Amino acid sequence: DGGITQSPKYLFRKEGQNVTLSCEQNLNHDAMYWYRQDPGQGLRLIYYSQIVNDFQKGDIAEGYSVSREKKESFPLTVTSAQKNPTAFYLCASSLLGASGPFFGPGTRLTVL
Amino acid sequence: GENVEQHPSTLSVQEGDSAVIKCTYSDSASNYFPWYKQELGKGPQLIIDIRSNVGEKKDQRIAVTLNKTAKHFSLHITETQPEDSAVYFCAASKGTNSGYALNFGKGTSLLVTP
Repeated sequence: DGGITQSPKYLFRKEGQNVTLSCEQNLNHDAMYWYRQDPGQGLRLIYYSQIVNDFQKGDIAEGYSVSREKKESFPLTVTSAQKNPTAFYLCASSLLGASGPFFGPGTRLTVL
Repeated sequence: GENVEQHPSTLSVQEGDSAVIKCTYSDSASNYFPWYKQELGKGPQLIIDIRSNVGEKKDQRIAVTLNKTAKHFSLHITETQPEDSAVYFCAASKGTNSGYALNFGKGTSLLVTP
């Protein structure tokens, strides 16, 4: 069953704690992305990666970190430096030169 | 950077009518324009896309038009059905063979009433 999986669906953390969101794809896509969505807003790009061991900052990278050690995995860490981390986080992937990207189901992070 | 503006923010139509959503972009280097449909609590679903070398593309009840000179593109949904109710997002990118970093509009909430 091919697709993009994000886990967990809901995540609660205390203020000041780092948290890592998982994103896995078995579509053999080259590029992967992390977007953040706030209520009533469009999606904003946090980080993206076109190949393994390489990634670029998006528009709102401050307070976030990523790694791309494997083609199929692109985890996002929300650090304590992120001032307003409560949001809906969406991972996506695309094949170079093809339509996309395609999004996963999202993780809703709430920081208490 | 790229700025994508989307109108209207809300749209209500009766079943069977057409719906049109419009977007403008600022960066003339943008060359890839996808549209997404997002249902409540789910990730966005790619429904149609258009590249800058094409003026119009159609897929059943959905069509997208692009005017590069004016830097605007539109989504047209004909014969709307209640299941078309969702939030629709336009996006633009300088998509290359290296992948796409999309800039999104703020979305249009479409309600189709029976």
